[in-house]
Amino acid sequence: GQNIDQPTEMTATEGAIVQINCTYQTSGFNGLFWYQQHAGEAPTFLSYNVLDGLEEKGRFSSFLSRSKGYSYLLLKELQMKDSASYLCAVRDSDYKLSFGAGTTVTVRA
Amino acid sequence: IAGITQAPTSQILAAGRRMTLRCTQDMRHNAMYWYRQDLGLGLRLIHYSNTAGTTGKGEVPDGYSVSRANTDDFPLTLASAVPSQTSVYFCASSVEGAGTGELFFGEGSRLTVL
Repeated sequence: GQNIDQPTEMTATEGAIVQINCTYQTSGFNGLFWYQQHAGEAPTFLSYNVLDGLEEKGRFSSFLSRSKGYSYLLLKELQMKDSASYLCAVRDSDYKLSFGAGTTVTVRA
Repeated sequence: IAGITQAPTSQILAAGRRMTLRCTQDMRHNAMYWYRQDLGLGLRLIHYSNTAGTTGKGEVPDGYSVSRANTDDFPLTLASAVPSQTSVYFCASSVEGAGTGELFFGEGSRLTVL
């Protein structure tokens, strides 16, 4: 099974940078995902890491360390529309995805 | 392009009633999933299907059943609904073994059991 931990809430100012940490314990690892979910909507895919290191995609970057069971999602140049819940998810060897409880990010003007 | 369609969008149901949540995808994805999302608990996997004709139990399968008669449809049935099944239900699909295997989600079905 998977045990995935991430902070419940974070608040940041428009234009700033926020880093959302995720730690996990897994019986089989086959990739780590980050999803964004706006209130009342479905989750949408943000990033995927299967090897150690940093993956950059525009204003969003995701980092993975498999030996430490650790990932972070970095949001740069925060915009009001980035206010959402960010879900860390780990895929096991059977291709099933387990999610953390999510981190609600509030961006203030 | 529809992607994944769920129905109904919202439903209020009396306890003890039978309910089927429908899920249809037009992306020809081989894998499909049902999750429930509750405040503070995140998304939890109920049942999944890696390919048509096969299904498997997830983290919280009790009280739910699924079938996968074809590639496109993956209905979730609550045989006798209970108040603890009040939740938002998301259907998702993915292409296993290719690319990132990211999940594509439907818009969700909000179910209230009274």
